[in-house]
Amino acid sequence: TQLLEQSPQFLSIQEGENLTVYCNSSSVFSSLQWYRQEPGEGPVLLVTVVTGGEVKKLKRLTFQFGDARKDSSLHITAAQPGDTGLYLCAGAGAGGTSYGKLTFGQGTILTVHP
Amino acid sequence: KAGVTQTPRYLIKTRGQQVTLSCSPISGHRSVSWYQQTPGQGLQFLFEYFSETQRNKGNFPGRFSGRQFSNSRSEMNVSTLELGDSALYLCASSLVGGSRETQYFGPGTRLLVL
Repeated sequence: TQLLEQSPQFLSIQEGENLTVYCNSSSVFSSLQWYRQEPGEGPVLLVTVVTGGEVKKLKRLTFQFGDARKDSSLHITAAQPGDTGLYLCAGAGAGGTSYGKLTFGQGTILTVHP
Repeated sequence: KAGVTQTPRYLIKTRGQQVTLSCSPISGHRSVSWYQQTPGQGLQFLFEYFSETQRNKGNFPGRFSGRQFSNSRSEMNVSTLELGDSALYLCASSLVGGSRETQYFGPGTRLLVL
């Protein structure tokens, strides 16, 4: 069974601060996706990483996929109140038993205060 | 291109009843996955359909079932509803459900069981 440990679970920071969210596993993933979810809505994709060591940037957000494809991080620079929300990492395993299946971390609830 | 759509958005049922939820994937996507999201368990994989066949299944009781139609639209059914089935049910679509593909989520159906 693949598990993804996401930390921290809660993050409350002031506008302008930097933050990092981590996703760790003992399993290897074929790809890892990061989503952001607003209350009562579905997760919205931020990025998909598929190559070990890959780094992707999306404005103030930087995503890294570990070299061994077992872990990932999301770094936000100069957080803004609009970044407030639930951040989720989700990994896809390899092989036939992984068709269409994402394993999700527990999520990080981020609150950015003005 | 239109996103994933789910109907209905909200549903209230009583224990013992059954419910059917519908999902229309992004045009051209043939894989549809279903997830249950609760505050306690987070996002958990229910099952995945591709070409009208269930290819993958999570650890849920047989009361949870689904099907997919030739146009890739999918439905999930929950019979003999229990209070613990109250959750946000999400569907996601991708091209063929491969492990390196991105899954795109719908807005979800909020089910409340009384």
